[in-house]
Amino acid sequence: DAMVIQNPRYQVTQFGKPVTLSCSQTLNHNVMYWYQQKSSQAPKLLFHYYDKDFNNEADTPDNFQSRRPNTSFCFLDIRSPGLGDAAMYLCATSRRQEQFFGPGTRLTVL
Amino acid sequence: GENVEQHPSTLSVQEGDSAVIKCTYSDSASNYFPWYKQELGKRPQLIIDIRSNVGEKKDQRIAVTLNKTAKHFSLHITETQPEDSAVYFCAASSDSGANSKLTFGKGITLSVRP
Repeated sequence: DAMVIQNPRYQVTQFGKPVTLSCSQTLNHNVMYWYQQKSSQAPKLLFHYYDKDFNNEADTPDNFQSRRPNTSFCFLDIRSPGLGDAAMYLCATSRRQEQFFGPGTRLTVL
Repeated sequence: GENVEQHPSTLSVQEGDSAVIKCTYSDSASNYFPWYKQELGKRPQLIIDIRSNVGEKKDQRIAVTLNKTAKHFSLHITETQPEDSAVYFCAASSDSGANSKLTFGKGITLSVRP
């Protein structure tokens, strides 16, 4: 019954080694979001897709990229992870403003 | 852009008491106000939301009120239980289309003392 699925749940990477996080949804929502959340902070929006239209937040570093090959899937690529990129990465979907979050991927950078 | 302020940052209540968490927003065009509960290590979970065409909404022990004139909205939890302990985020949104985004408050840590 999972509606927003994220894989993997835990990801360990080395400093500078590219990593890809994935998100899939069974809700058929047209909007998908990627957030970064650090301890004791609110989720920070990185970018979102409205169907295939990509919307980047102004302060999202170039190190972060995203792909949405179809309605169900969305990927977050971190090209050269730094220690400051260690965080929980949350995927969310929405249809009419209500956003539903996936379980998140906890990224550790060694 | 929208700015959502959430106060206080921590709240401790005795089990069985009520808890009230308040948020203010700046953009008068905002028309959707959700509340999320996030337990440690888990996803933010939508617990209740309200749209600008209503002033109050209830769901069992939780309720949300909205004052559009004053630009603030509040979460009310009655008969609090230890499992209500979590971080609560308020948020606001003004667009349901291509630019639909939530602006979050900083969150409040609610502790319910047994």
